[in-house]
Amino acid sequence: QKEVEQNSGPLSVPEGAIASLNCTYSDRGSQSFFWYRQYSGKSPELIMSIYSNGDKEDGRFTAQLNKASQYVSLLIRDSQPSDSATYLCAVNMISFSGSARQLTFGSGTQLTVLP
Amino acid sequence: DGGITQSPKYLFRKEGQNVTLSCEQNLNHDAMYWYRQDPGQGLRLIYYSQIVNDFQKGDIAEGYSVSREKKESFPLTVTSAQKNPTAFYLCASSIGGTSGASYNEQVFGPGTRLTVL
Repeated sequence: QKEVEQNSGPLSVPEGAIASLNCTYSDRGSQSFFWYRQYSGKSPELIMSIYSNGDKEDGRFTAQLNKASQYVSLLIRDSQPSDSATYLCAVNMISFSGSARQLTFGSGTQLTVLP
Repeated sequence: DGGITQSPKYLFRKEGQNVTLSCEQNLNHDAMYWYRQDPGQGLRLIYYSQIVNDFQKGDIAEGYSVSREKKESFPLTVTSAQKNPTAFYLCASSIGGTSGASYNEQVFGPGTRLTVL
């Protein structure tokens, strides 16, 4: 079974700090990686995508990918209370049936930013 | 504005009933997906469709059925064979295809919360 693993949290950080969210995946052939933010009771919103090794920055968000270690992370700088949400890692992996690639989601990390 | 609409927002089903969840998109995306989310868990793929008149089972297709007669629409039927249907159902779409970096970037609709009475 192909898997995406995340620490479920909760992760609490003070306002203004850096929040670090981590994700590991089992399919060495994966090429596409995504971070979604999900507020309580709402649907996921795509906030970052990354396809090559290294860092990708977008505003206060930085995604980091290390394919050799099968590890992807999300850093949130200058964390705000409005960043409090569950963050889902998604990886494009071979499907359960082995017939196609599909997004496999981790169970999410709950982040709380304390004022 | 382009986006995905799902209806209804809340749905209540009695035991033994079939119910259909609507999903419509005006993003001109080829691929559409249905996921199920249970409390404290990630998303699990039910069905997906890469083109009109074609769809594939995901990891948890038992007790569900879909159709894709139009590019814009991908309704999901939860049948009475689904033993534990209470969950948050999410429809998503992506540009589709099998190449290109962004083909699998999925955007989600607002979801339908289904409860069995």
